[in-house]
Amino acid sequence: GNSVTQMEGPVTLSEEAFLTINCTYTATGYPSLFWYVQYPGEGLQLLLKATKADDKGSNKGFEATYRKETTSFHLEKGSVQVSDSAVYFCALGTNGNKLVFGAGTILRVKS
Amino acid sequence: NAGVTQTPKFRILKIGQSMTLQCTQDMNHNYMYWYRQDPGMGLKLIYYSVGAGITDKGEVPNGYNVSRSTTEDFPLRLELAAPSQTSVYFCASSLSYNEQFFGPGTRLTVL
Repeated sequence: GNSVTQMEGPVTLSEEAFLTINCTYTATGYPSLFWYVQYPGEGLQLLLKATKADDKGSNKGFEATYRKETTSFHLEKGSVQVSDSAVYFCALGTNGNKLVFGAGTILRVKS
Repeated sequence: NAGVTQTPKFRILKIGQSMTLQCTQDMNHNYMYWYRQDPGMGLKLIYYSVGAGITDKGEVPNGYNVSRSTTEDFPLRLELAAPSQTSVYFCASSLSYNEQFFGPGTRLTVL
């Protein structure tokens, strides 16, 4: 079946550090891939997406590349800020308009 | 646009009580979803709907019921609440399978 595996958190970084959150997936067919972000006390918001192999999604300084050969969609940011502290979810979208989410990775950025 | 709204924000139920979680969207989206979020477990799909009058089970439907009489509303009913239903519940909607928009969530505790 379809599944998403994310690196366990929490990830704690100092401001301006480089961020990588690993995400790998298992899927039949050709899924779309997403990163969602959840700020404290809020619902999830779409951060970025990629709909086919080798696509790069980017938003707010974050980026992720859809790698079919390694079934990965790792999230990166060159310089994190305190305001980036949140929970990040990797997800894949399949036929039928349903999403499968990873367990989420907590990011804490210290000033 | 208000987007996706959910009520109530918080609720405490006693074992065996019932309640309805309300969800409304004003974006004219056909697809609507209910998820539950348990700590460290990501989001699990409870029920979804592809349009008014059409609903289907997700990954964890037991103990819940839904209805979709209008495009805008997608209430989730809990009958005979159990401690295992303590969770945060999110409603979401989408126009296509590329992006889901989430409400702010309902935090439910069953004691």
